[in-house]
Amino acid sequence: EAQVTQNPRYLITVTGKKLTVTCSQNMNHEYMSWYRQDPGLGLRQIYYSMNVEVTDKGDVPEGYKVSRKEKRNFPLILESPSPNQTSLYFCASSDRGGQARSPLHFGNGTRLTVT
Amino acid sequence: EDQVTQSPEALRLQEGESSSLNCSYTVSGLRGLFWYRQDPGKGPEFLFTLYSAGEEKEKERLKATLTKKESFLHITAPKPEDSATYLCASSGGYQKVTFGTGTKLQVIP
Repeated sequence: EAQVTQNPRYLITVTGKKLTVTCSQNMNHEYMSWYRQDPGLGLRQIYYSMNVEVTDKGDVPEGYKVSRKEKRNFPLILESPSPNQTSLYFCASSDRGGQARSPLHFGNGTRLTVT
Repeated sequence: EDQVTQSPEALRLQEGESSSLNCSYTVSGLRGLFWYRQDPGKGPEFLFTLYSAGEEKEKERLKATLTKKESFLHITAPKPEDSATYLCASSGGYQKVTFGTGTKLQVIP
């Protein structure tokens, strides 16, 4: 089954404790992206990757890091989480041509709480 | 700056009562207008892509249309299982996609 898999689904942590949210897709998509979803603000892009070893900032990259060492994986790293990063996070992927004309396939989300 | 505005924020319909959701967009060089459905606790699920003004696409009780400034998602004779949040997104140049904040639809039996 074609899918984007995120882990964990739920995560509660404390301020400053480094964490990684994993994302993997089995569709051989070149394009991958991370979004956060907050009430009243919609989905906002954090980082995206057009291909292996190619990443770029989205609209809200501060406090986040990403890497793309393999085509299927695109982990999101919070090196020193803060309470304002409490949110619902989604990983998404898209086939050749990137997201400009191709739809995004989303994972089921990671709900992060930073206390 | 690209902008996408959806209205209404929430919509409550009786089963069988048809209606439309609105998505107004401002984007330079539109490459695609997307509609997604999002159920509670899940990621958005792709519904339609529209590429040019005048284009229409249908799927079961849903029909999406596009003008140069707006897109509409028409829901004909909705059922309770159509209850969800519907998201609109525009894509312009530089691989940029902008999402609206969604319309939460509730269909009451």
